[in-house]
Amino acid sequence: EDKVVQSPLSLVVHEGDTVTLNCSYEVTNFRSLLWYKQEKKAPTFLFMLTSSGIEKKSGRLSSILDKKELFSILNITATQTGDSAIYLCAVADSNYQLIWGAGTKLIIKP
Amino acid sequence: NAGVTQTPKFRILKIGQSMTLQCTQDMNHNYMYWYRQDPGMGLKLIYYSVGAGITDKGEVPNGYNVSRSTTEDFPLRLELAAPSQTSVYFCASSYSPGGVSYEQYFGPGTRLTVT
Repeated sequence: EDKVVQSPLSLVVHEGDTVTLNCSYEVTNFRSLLWYKQEKKAPTFLFMLTSSGIEKKSGRLSSILDKKELFSILNITATQTGDSAIYLCAVADSNYQLIWGAGTKLIIKP
Repeated sequence: NAGVTQTPKFRILKIGQSMTLQCTQDMNHNYMYWYRQDPGMGLKLIYYSVGAGITDKGEVPNGYNVSRSTTEDFPLRLELAAPSQTSVYFCASSYSPGGVSYEQYFGPGTRLTVT
């Protein structure tokens, strides 16, 4: 059965810290891995990764995929209270369906 | 360009009642999806559609039905509401010509409580 596992499930850090969120997967017919940020409403898209070793970067957020070891990490540097959210990882299969992880709840304390 | 819209935002149903959750997108996306998200959990796919007239079951379809008569609309029907269907429901859409893009755009969600 296809699955996506995120760790940790929750994380509390102080403003200015750097955090690393993990996503491992076992998905038949892997096509891509996506990261979403969910605040109090709908998920919003962050990154889509399809190739190993190529870092995607957007401001203080960056992500990389390892297709050999079947995982991805999402890094957030110089965290701010506005980064507090649930970060969701999802893997797309060849049927265009996304298999979702349970998410990492990130809390940034001022 | 409103993106993906959902109605209603909130609803309370009694056990056994029926209702339809509406979803509309104005981005001309071919793929549309319905998810539910229980507290502290990720998203579970209920049904999806690859185009008008075509629908298919996702991971948790029992107790739900869908239809896709137009590209824009993808309503989700609950026929006999049960407490286990208490959840937040998200509709999403994506444009996937030949499998190029998998980014999904989400509606604001419907919070449903069944008592």
